[in-house]
Amino acid sequence: IQLTQSPSFLSASVGDRVTITCRASQGISSYLAWYQQKPGKAPKLLIYAASTLQSGVPSRFSGSGSGTEFTLTISSLQPEDFATYYCQQLNSYPFTFGPGTKVDIK
Amino acid sequence: QVQLVESGGGVVQPGGSLRLSCAASGFTFSSYGMHWVRQAPGKGLEWVAFIRYDGSNKYYADSVKGRFTISRDNSKNTLYLQMNSLRAEDTAVYYCAKDQVLGWLQLQEGFDYWGQGTLVTVSS
Repeated sequence: IQLTQSPSFLSASVGDRVTITCRASQGISSYLAWYQQKPGKAPKLLIYAASTLQSGVPSRFSGSGSGTEFTLTISSLQPEDFATYYCQQLNSYPFTFGPGTKVDIK
Repeated sequence: QVQLVESGGGVVQPGGSLRLSCAASGFTFSSYGMHWVRQAPGKGLEWVAFIRYDGSNKYYADSVKGRFTISRDNSKNTLYLQMNSLRAEDTAVYYCAKDQVLGWLQLQEGFDYWGQGTLVTVSS
């Protein structure tokens, strides 16, 4: 199962609403997770089951979608949110990651 | 607290072998599936391999199938990745990661803990 993400790069300001899209090459129900990764650090789980917020993750992060199209939304971008975001399908092996979306400071 | 600590990375020549280890603590290691994920320099994440909590099932990415072997020793709380016939394109930081859900529930809710990674460089 191939995953694509759009955009691959976005430039945004603190306080902006940001939306990242992940599309799967075939239906994966709700078996999708989102991760945040900062330079030199391991990824951090943000969302699982497409829309369930991981414990401890701020509520400004939200996920939606099912089947083949999914979105990650950050309702009000904070300075600590500048990072790269990856989606991952967990429907079937091999588990695949999307290519990533880098969120940079405008 | 949950800790995953990888070791065993280094520089190896093409065609060579290396064994990575991931020492786990702070949770019941024998109850969770475990994964290896890698990231080539400046690139995205690539899932590499999975082993079921009891070692009964293993899955691999096509890119490493037949060359890499995932294993675990639940008595030592340690995960392994044996890497043979290494290629330049295997150069990456290798992370071990833990399934969020107990292994026998057969659910998938992402990887909730990751190690800090160990760098493998394949170069002559």
